[in-house]
Amino acid sequence: KNEVEQSPQNLTAQEGEFITINCSYSVGISALHWLQQHPGGGIVSLFMLSSGKKKHGRLIATINIQEKHSSLHITASHPRDSAVYICAVVGGATNKLIFGTGTLLAVQP
Amino acid sequence: NAGVTQTPKFQVLKTGQSMTLQCAQDMNHNSMYWYRQDPGMGLRLIYYSASEGTTDKGEVPNGYNVSRLNKREFSLRLESAAPSQTSVYFCASSDWAYNEQFFGPGTRLTVL
Repeated sequence: KNEVEQSPQNLTAQEGEFITINCSYSVGISALHWLQQHPGGGIVSLFMLSSGKKKHGRLIATINIQEKHSSLHITASHPRDSAVYICAVVGGATNKLIFGTGTLLAVQP
Repeated sequence: NAGVTQTPKFQVLKTGQSMTLQCAQDMNHNSMYWYRQDPGMGLRLIYYSASEGTTDKGEVPNGYNVSRLNKREFSLRLESAAPSQTSVYFCASSDWAYNEQFFGPGTRLTVL
């Protein structure tokens, strides 16, 4: 079983919809990252959080340490949000970054 | 600022050949990383450098060596390439260990 699991693996939404991507992990962590990988391959960091909630524009990330779960929300989704969203935790036996396999999001106009 | 740069962007090698992937950052970051990305497996850490002069193995270090040449540059060397090393390689940096990561554009490597 992977130490970091994301769901769903694939998601198709209509423009304007509210989107939620989930990340569950099974190890102790010191921080959690959300990353976005564009169709062209480039990777950018969206959030790094260790508790509570962060917001940047239409993106919101939350984490529940007790439940070992994080969510990434996108409000008023747009076709330009189409990308792979990757969850990664800093933790585990080696206290290094462990990545989920990503959620492929397609937002249709 | 260029951020994190990687060279080359694409490379094709024959089994047994060697090559070095170059990475440089201009953000005065202390920590640098090399990852590989394979379909269905997500990103995996190959090697990590917390600061100039230090390196540490990640999840999949076998077949690779690294050099933290100075604070700006972190290179990844394949001494004897194997088809299993066909992958997309990303370099990244952060101000401190495992903080917000800034990624390079990637190198697509094919080993025949």
